[in-house]
Amino acid sequence: GDSVTQMEGPVTLSEEAFLTINCTYTATGYPSLFWYVQYPGEGLQLLLKATKADDKGSNKGFEATYRKETTSFHLEKGSVQVSDSAVYFCALMKAGANSKLTFGKGITLSVRP
Amino acid sequence: GAGVSQTPSNKVTEKGKYVELRCDPISGHTALYWYRQSLGQGPEFLIYFQGTGAADDSGLPNDRFFAVRPEGSVSTLKIQRTERGDSAVYLCASSLFRYRNTEAFFGQGTRLTVV
Repeated sequence: GDSVTQMEGPVTLSEEAFLTINCTYTATGYPSLFWYVQYPGEGLQLLLKATKADDKGSNKGFEATYRKETTSFHLEKGSVQVSDSAVYFCALMKAGANSKLTFGKGITLSVRP
Repeated sequence: GAGVSQTPSNKVTEKGKYVELRCDPISGHTALYWYRQSLGQGPEFLIYFQGTGAADDSGLPNDRFFAVRPEGSVSTLKIQRTERGDSAVYLCASSLFRYRNTEAFFGQGTRLTVV
């Protein structure tokens, strides 16, 4: 079945450091890919998405590129802030009759001042 | 309110009891989803409604779990004969229209603890 694999966490970085969070997926067909973020005390929020190969999603300084050849959707940010501390989830959705979000396990990011 | 509302935010129940979890989606959203998030895991799909009907209930773990959405708005997830393994955060999400991969908006969840 479909699955999403995220790198093991947690991740702790200093402010202004470069961030990469790895995500790979297994799915038949051509899924859409998403990054969701959960800030402390809040619900899941969509951070960015990409719906086809080579698309780049971006938001709040975060970017991820849909790489079909490597089945990856790694999340990057050039300079993290303390306010980026949260749990990040990679997810996929396949269009069609069985469309639903399949999530990875999530990774906790802590950014130190 | 403007977002997806879930009540209660926390529920503690004894093993074997019946519980109901409520989800009030964003007004006008026809698609509604329930997910379950166990500790240290990502959310797992339970059931999807389009309007009043359950279009996909393939994620419900067994027949103790049931969900309804009688008027196409508020939904209730019902769990019978609760077990300790049912302890998790139950998330509800809604969106305008499923097939175009429109954004799903999540509530803050109900944390269910079965003791």
